[in-house]
Amino acid sequence: ILNVEQSPQSLHVQEGDSTNFTCSFPSSNFYALHWYRWETAKSPEALFVMTLNGDEKKKGRISATLNTKEGYSYLYIKGSQPEDSATYLCAFNNAGNMLTFGGGTRLMVKP
Amino acid sequence: EPEVTQTPSHQVTQMGQEVILRCVPISNHLYFYWYRQILGQKVEFLVSFYNNEISEKSEIFDDQFSVERPDGSNFTLKIRSTKLEDSAMYFCASRPRARSMNTEAFFGQGTRLTVV
Repeated sequence: ILNVEQSPQSLHVQEGDSTNFTCSFPSSNFYALHWYRWETAKSPEALFVMTLNGDEKKKGRISATLNTKEGYSYLYIKGSQPEDSATYLCAFNNAGNMLTFGGGTRLMVKP
Repeated sequence: EPEVTQTPSHQVTQMGQEVILRCVPISNHLYFYWYRQILGQKVEFLVSFYNNEISEKSEIFDDQFSVERPDGSNFTLKIRSTKLEDSAMYFCASRPRARSMNTEAFFGQGTRLTVV
């Protein structure tokens, strides 16, 4: 059984704050690490697919880093806005075809 | 923008009844999936489907579950005799290329199944 963990489970920040959360995953049989943003009543939406150790990806105010040797990824949001409020899911892709998800970090940004 | 669509958005069924959840994946995608999330738990993989057959399945996907791509566009998940513990949000997903490391999965909005 693959263990993918995310912390914290939930996070309340003020508008304008920068924040980050963690995804830990098995360091063996690594294929890719996915980050998804999931708003209530909508489809989970892919943010990043990361494959290389040391990789850093950025999309607007959101960025992510990857350490495959120690089995963790960080997601950073700079200057949080209320529209960033969502659940952020990471998912580990090993050599098979399936994604193994973490429990998610629920972010709430107060105006 | 192409999207994965799922119907119905919410299904209530009596225990022991058969239920079929429907999905229309993105048209040029090759891999199709079902995942589910029981309330308060992690999203769990059920099954993947490629080239008209199951390519992987989890322990959850027992004989009560089946998948089908009947007409080249729809992708269905059937639960033959629903149990209370089948109550969950069921997500369909598709990916454009087979076994590509850089391929994101595209998810539908989910079907909330409630077994009473």
